[in-house]
Amino acid sequence: DVKVTQSSRYLVKRTGEKVFLECVQDMDHENMFWYRQDPGLGLRLIYFSYDVKMKEKGDIPEGYSVSREKKERFSLILESASTNQTSMYLCASSKDYSYEQYFGPGTRLTVT
Amino acid sequence: GQQVMQIPQYQHVQEGEDFTTYCNSSTTLSNIQWYKQRPGGHPVFLIQLVKSGEVKKQKRLTFQFGEAKKNSSLHITATQTTDVGTYFCAGLVTYKYIFGTGTRLKVLA
Repeated sequence: DVKVTQSSRYLVKRTGEKVFLECVQDMDHENMFWYRQDPGLGLRLIYFSYDVKMKEKGDIPEGYSVSREKKERFSLILESASTNQTSMYLCASSKDYSYEQYFGPGTRLTVT
Repeated sequence: GQQVMQIPQYQHVQEGEDFTTYCNSSTTLSNIQWYKQRPGGHPVFLIQLVKSGEVKKQKRLTFQFGEAKKNSSLHITATQTTDVGTYFCAGLVTYKYIFGTGTRLKVLA
C-alpha cells in the first residue's frame, strides 16, 4: 500500500513564525503536491513537484515556498505565518501527473 | 480562472434514498477523478473517467462523464450510513487537477 505521511497532525504557531510542514511518501512517486483545504472551498493546490529539485506554482502559492531535495520528501514552508494561513494542509503523491493521488492524513495548522 | 463547481454543497438523505452530486467545469477536462473523504479523514481515490460520455459503476455508485467533457456526476443508489462523507471531483486541465468544492453527504438512519 502507498503510504504518505505528514510530520504533524496538529500544529499551533504564532504570527510571523517560520513553519515547516514535511511530507514523505514510500512508493517512489515522481509527483508530489501540497493542498490546503478550507470549508466551502474544496482543495486548492499550493505547489507541486514532478521531480527532485523541481517545483511548480499551483493556484495559491503566495506566502508559501517548497523544497524537494529527495524524491520521497516534499516540504512546505510558510516563511512568515499569518492568521489567514490557518487551515488543513494535505500532501499527496502520484506516479504520474494524470494518475490517482494518494493523500496523507493532513496537518491542521492554527496560526494565532 | 479555471473553476470546478460542485452542487449541492450539502445533502442530507434518509438511509435507502438515492443521492447525486454534480460537477461542472468552465473548461474542457482531459479526465476527471472522484474522491471520498470520510469525516476526520483524508481524500481517497474512487475512480477516473477519461472518455467523453463514459459511464462506470462500482457496486451502488455510478459515475458519468459528460459528452463535452465539462461535467460529471456521481450517483449513489440506496445510500447506507457508510456512504457518509464529502465527495470531491477533480478535473485534469493541462497538467494539474482542479478540485471541486465538494458535496458533504449525511445519511440519516
